[in-house]
Amino acid sequence: DIQMTQSPSSLSASVGDRVTITCRASQSISNYLNWYQQKPGKAPHLLIYAASSLQSGVPSRFSGSGSGTDFTLTISSLQPEDFATYYCQQSYSNLRTFGGGTKVEIK
Amino acid sequence: QVQLQESGPGLVKPSQTLSVTCTVSGGSIRSGGYYWSWIRQHPGKGLEWIGYISYSGSTDYNPSLKSRVSISLDTSKDQFSLKLSSVTAADTAVYYCAIMTTVTQTEYFLHWGQGTLVTVSS
Repeated sequence: DIQMTQSPSSLSASVGDRVTITCRASQSISNYLNWYQQKPGKAPHLLIYAASSLQSGVPSRFSGSGSGTDFTLTISSLQPEDFATYYCQQSYSNLRTFGGGTKVEIK
Repeated sequence: QVQLQESGPGLVKPSQTLSVTCTVSGGSIRSGGYYWSWIRQHPGKGLEWIGYISYSGSTDYNPSLKSRVSISLDTSKDQFSLKLSSVTAADTAVYYCAIMTTVTQTEYFLHWGQGTLVTVSS
């Protein structure tokens, strides 16, 4: 199995802050990496696919980068609606796996 | 816009079979290029991919669940279903149906249902 490790597991930030979340794969996954946002009681929502491609309708303050084993999700200026949990997911392997999540909380 | 809606029993007894159905609206389950998927989330935990079925009927399952899982299509009703046998309390989770699609060889879960909580308890 390819293990996906996110850091930090949680963070506190203020509106307007730049936020960076890291996802590390246990082996190289090229750019087969997606990011999702999940709000309490709701289903996850696709933000970024193929490591850096912004899904249609997602605000441009979200961006993704990385390749191989190390990836980042950046929110350039945190907005009130961005407080949520974020998950990375690899699609390199047939056994699709998710990271443990990063909860972004209000400072 | 395709929409997905899960329906299930809510409560299942240990050792029984969990059955959850996903109804597709705003599109057809006969659409090519989509993989009709199931994902679960244990309470307060992360996400676990269970498996998928394609329009052609091919399936792929998480090896850790493969011996107990079956996913099927009902094209006449635009529904797909999950069956998980011999359940235990460890199978208590929110079960999501989702559409996995591919773009330039990248797969991702594009559309999700709202999820249904299934509790395993006597």
